Amino acid sequence: EVQLVESGGGLVQPGGSLRLSCAASGIIISDYYMDWVRQAPGKGLEWVGRSRDKAHSYTAEYAASVKDRFFLSRDDSKNSMYLQMNGLKIEDTAVYYCASNYFHSDIYWPDSWGQGTLVTVSS
Amino acid sequence: DIQLTQSPSFLSASVGDRVTITCRASQGISSYLAWFQKKPGKAPKLLICAASTLHSGVPSRFSGGGSGTEFTLTISSLQPEDFATYYCQHFNNYPLTFGGGTKVEIK
Repeated sequence: EVQLVESGGGLVQPGGSLRLSCAASGIIISDYYMDWVRQAPGKGLEWVGRSRDKAHSYTAEYAASVKDRFFLSRDDSKNSMYLQMNGLKIEDTAVYYCASNYFHSDIYWPDSWGQGTLVTVSS
Repeated sequence: DIQLTQSPSFLSASVGDRVTITCRASQGISSYLAWFQKKPGKAPKLLICAASTLHSGVPSRFSGGGSGTEFTLTISSLQPEDFATYYCQHFNNYPLTFGGGTKVEIK
């Protein structure tokens, strides 16, 4: 059974930085495309970014709202993925979810999700 | 960027009702669309991928259809556990945007 556990959320001031972790069990994370999705309070889901698998050199894609501020990385030895968030803005306040993907019909679909970690950006 | 417009944004229905939610894409996305169920305090749950493929473990009362720019999610007989918010997401190209969501509430 796949289990994903996010951590690292908390309260941070505008302009600050935070690193979220997504620890996996039940899968070897290097074999998987991984996504981050967030949900601001009272708002809908927003895709944040995607990290391709090791075979694709862990290349990443980002939403325009976070590009050049957020960065995805991995640590194979810890079977974990990270979301480094810099230059945080009040509008980045949200619950952040990580998800692993499975391959079907030429596309990677996020099918296993963590329970989320809350990031609050406030002065 | 591809925009996804869901309708309605809110619907009130009774247990046993047939419910259909629509997702329209601003440009053609073939069948590269998924549907998710989201409940407060819970992780999103994948229901449908590739527009019409029911994900493993998802009850058969859920079905998806469409291709190109118009897609539907249908719940054939609404159950108490189905009251939630539903989102479509496209996978045609980056960024992978979500629709605005449809909240399904008890009448």
